[in-house]
Amino acid sequence: GESVGLHLPTLSVQEGDNSIINCAYSNSASDYFIWYKQESGKGPQFIIDIRSNMDKRQGQRVTVLLNKTVKHLSLQIAATQPGDSAVYFCAENIAGGSYIPTFGRGTSLIVHP
Amino acid sequence: DSGVTQTPKHLITATGQRVTLRCSPRSGDLSVYWYQQSLDQGLQFLIQYYNGEERAKGNILERFSAQQFPDLHSELNLSSLELGDSALYFCASTFQGSFPLQETQYFGPGTRLLVL
Repeated sequence: GESVGLHLPTLSVQEGDNSIINCAYSNSASDYFIWYKQESGKGPQFIIDIRSNMDKRQGQRVTVLLNKTVKHLSLQIAATQPGDSAVYFCAENIAGGSYIPTFGRGTSLIVHP
Repeated sequence: DSGVTQTPKHLITATGQRVTLRCSPRSGDLSVYWYQQSLDQGLQFLIQYYNGEERAKGNILERFSAQQFPDLHSELNLSSLELGDSALYFCASTFQGSFPLQETQYFGPGTRLLVL
């Protein structure tokens, strides 16, 4: 499959561990954030989103934490499975004015059985 | 399967040439977004269409153009191709085409363009 980046930060974990992937965003005016998962050879897939009026949101096995003070976003994956191996990246969207969403380059998660 | 289809899956062409990439949105979705993803950059938003009309423009070069047809499929035209245009090109669709983006986008599998 295609590689989406040759020099992405990489996180290697053992199956069953919890994974934490971090993302720093750039604009304090951003009000909506999304985490995507991209497996090799496939398009990005929505995982979870969070609005700026929240600091935590939980999904199935995933939790997103938002720290607006330091403009930091994290994705926590519980009980990581080999099928979670992929590139994960965050996107920020700025309300009003320019529409253009901004995407991070991502982190490569490798889950060892 | 996201329900968004893109053709072709792979495309190899030469510098100076022109290619057309095609995208069919999910059934019922009215808005299509085009993105470029290269090895040295993250996903870059190019352009958005909603129900046949251009709605938002991102970092799209003048050599590139797009349109959305009455049946809601979209085409991205890339002309005077350069080596640096080699990348993955994705389209995504949503129902509302919200401005700014406040709804889930469903991405297609992408077209891998290689310019030699």
